Amino acid sequence: DVKVTQSSRYLVKRTGEKVFLECVQDMDHENMFWYRQDPGLGLRLIYFSYDVKMKEKGDIPEGYSVSREKKERFSLILESASTNQTSMYLCASSPLGNQPQHFGDGTRLSIL
Amino acid sequence: AQTVTQSQPEMSVQEAETVTLSCTYDTSESDYYLFWYKQPPSRQMILVIRQEAYKQQNATENRFSVNFQKAAKSFSLKISDSQLGDAAMYFCAYRSGYGGATNKLIFGTGTLLAVQP
Repeated sequence: DVKVTQSSRYLVKRTGEKVFLECVQDMDHENMFWYRQDPGLGLRLIYFSYDVKMKEKGDIPEGYSVSREKKERFSLILESASTNQTSMYLCASSPLGNQPQHFGDGTRLSIL
Repeated sequence: AQTVTQSQPEMSVQEAETVTLSCTYDTSESDYYLFWYKQPPSRQMILVIRQEAYKQQNATENRFSVNFQKAAKSFSLKISDSQLGDAAMYFCAYRSGYGGATNKLIFGTGTLLAVQP
């Protein structure tokens, strides 16, 4: 089975802090994604990556950056956390082509 | 731009009964894929079923089936013989068939399904 692992299940940070959310997949997938999930808004794509060191903006990239130095790891970075970034963050991966995405368990991030 | 709409924020069904969750989408593309994902309280999103737009036959997976109406841009999920473990948030999602190597998903806002014993 595909395993997508997010480093933290719950995280509490303060405004202005630099926050790193880590995601690792074990199936050699080319594509990796970061979503944000908010009640009433569903999942919205923040950034995705289709190869090492390659990244593209999703629908809501403002305030976020990403890093993909190795194929199996995709990091989401909040450069200066703000309270409006309190949310559930979901990582996903998939192989190339018309294959479904596999999701991690999510990180519930609170910015105080 | 493509959009996905789930008009039922919450639904409830009795155990062993059948329930249908609605999803409509808007696109000008002819090649695309549609998905239903389940997110139980454990939070991990699980793929329930997928449908290719070029296939006329409705997809089925055990107790889960879809009613895909391409002209109406409707993609509803039917759960038969509902079980307590079906209680979850259900998301409808769209993916373009023209996305190239990547396969970005566009999600609806979700329907929270409760199953009553």
